[in-house]
Amino acid sequence: NAGVTQTPKFQVLKTGQSMTLQCAQDMNHEYMSWYRQDPGMGLRLIHYSVGAGITDQGEVPNGYNVSRSTTEDFPLRLLSAAPSQTSVYFCASSQSRGVDGYTFGSGTRLTVV
Amino acid sequence: DAKTTQPPSMDCAEGRAANLPCNHSTISGNEYVYWYRQIHSQGPQYIIHGLKNNETNEMASLIITEDRKSSTLILPHATLRDTAVYYCIVRAPNTGGFKTIFGAGTRLFVKA
Repeated sequence: NAGVTQTPKFQVLKTGQSMTLQCAQDMNHEYMSWYRQDPGMGLRLIHYSVGAGITDQGEVPNGYNVSRSTTEDFPLRLLSAAPSQTSVYFCASSQSRGVDGYTFGSGTRLTVV
Repeated sequence: DAKTTQPPSMDCAEGRAANLPCNHSTISGNEYVYWYRQIHSQGPQYIIHGLKNNETNEMASLIITEDRKSSTLILPHATLRDTAVYYCIVRAPNTGGFKTIFGAGTRLFVKA
């Protein structure tokens, strides 16, 4: 099925560890983004990309890195995990042009201990 | 992108219409209104969008005021499965609008 695939679904990290959250889409969407959602809160934009080789910061980029080497993939890297990064992470994609809404992945639930 | 204001929570009886308001008084002429919902801890799901005309699809109807400063999402016959957080956002899809900001949304409780 076409859509946005996020892996892993769950992850526990120790403080200071690094890891990469994977996001892939098969809809040939130019735009991809990462959001985090803390308990009882809305979505906050971390980073976004409007195409391969182009990324930019969102509301809360500190502690995270992204790159976009292909249209399909947009990984999110945690450089040195901190307990404050415990959250659910969602990846979204859409066409850059046109009026289609975003398609979201099912999320990665990350706990940093 | 313009900011939106939504009530934090609303109740609705099962089978009745749920009317969810959204204020976007600073909306620009090229910005569309989009609605999403998030059931429990799943990924948000796109519902509907519109520019200035009322829109309807199989999930909901969207009513946008003539001055475009507010809108209402209507779920015509709410069911228990419609209990979710509903997000209203504005975005200019054809000219960028890439830094889309989601607020806290409205938590809709559909009661039997």
